[in-house]
Amino acid sequence: GQNIDQPTEMTATEGAIVQINCTYQTSGFNGLFWYQQHAGEAPTFLSYNVLDGLEEKGRFSSFLSRSKGYSYLLLKELQMKDSASYLCAVRDEYGGATNKLIFGTGTLLAVQP
Amino acid sequence: DADVTQTPRNRITKTGKRIMLECSQTKGHDRMYWYRQDPGLGLRLIYYSFDVKDINKGEISDGYSVSRQAQAKFSLSLESAIPNQTALYFCATSKTGTAVNEQFFGPGTRLTVL
Repeated sequence: GQNIDQPTEMTATEGAIVQINCTYQTSGFNGLFWYQQHAGEAPTFLSYNVLDGLEEKGRFSSFLSRSKGYSYLLLKELQMKDSASYLCAVRDEYGGATNKLIFGTGTLLAVQP
Repeated sequence: DADVTQTPRNRITKTGKRIMLECSQTKGHDRMYWYRQDPGLGLRLIYYSFDVKDINKGEISDGYSVSRQAQAKFSLSLESAIPNQTALYFCATSKTGTAVNEQFFGPGTRLTVL
């Protein structure tokens, strides 16, 4: 079956570093996405990994291990505006022809002063 | 700015009513998607379209229908709304042939069926 797991909630302190984990079991794989979603708003694209390793983009980094079915999103120098849900999604097919994504339920991050 | 818009943003309706949600985009993207989001369940794909008049069922298409008469527009219909269709609905777009092919989401429509 298809399964994407991520923690339901996390809390961190302003200025700190937080790591949000995602594990997946899917029938195919053609990339893993992280989206940020503020309450009541649209998800916005943060990062994409298709090969093993770390992708860095400013304060945000994302890591992928395909053999372990594992990814994490690392947020550095946390700001209050980073309080949001973070959605892990897998493009579930080899070749990616349909571009269908399977989403996890999201991790609600609360950044405290 | 090229954008994805949804109308209405909020809708309250009664059981049995027919409802249409509209999605428009100025991004020039060929692919469009409809998702619903429920607390604790994440985003689930209802229908998707590769181009005009192309329609494909997603994970949870029962009780829904869609129409793609123009590249920029993708509408979602609930022929006879029921309370368990109360959810936040998102439209998304993507462009074939880009390296990442990420999906861009509209602002959402909050639908309540009484």
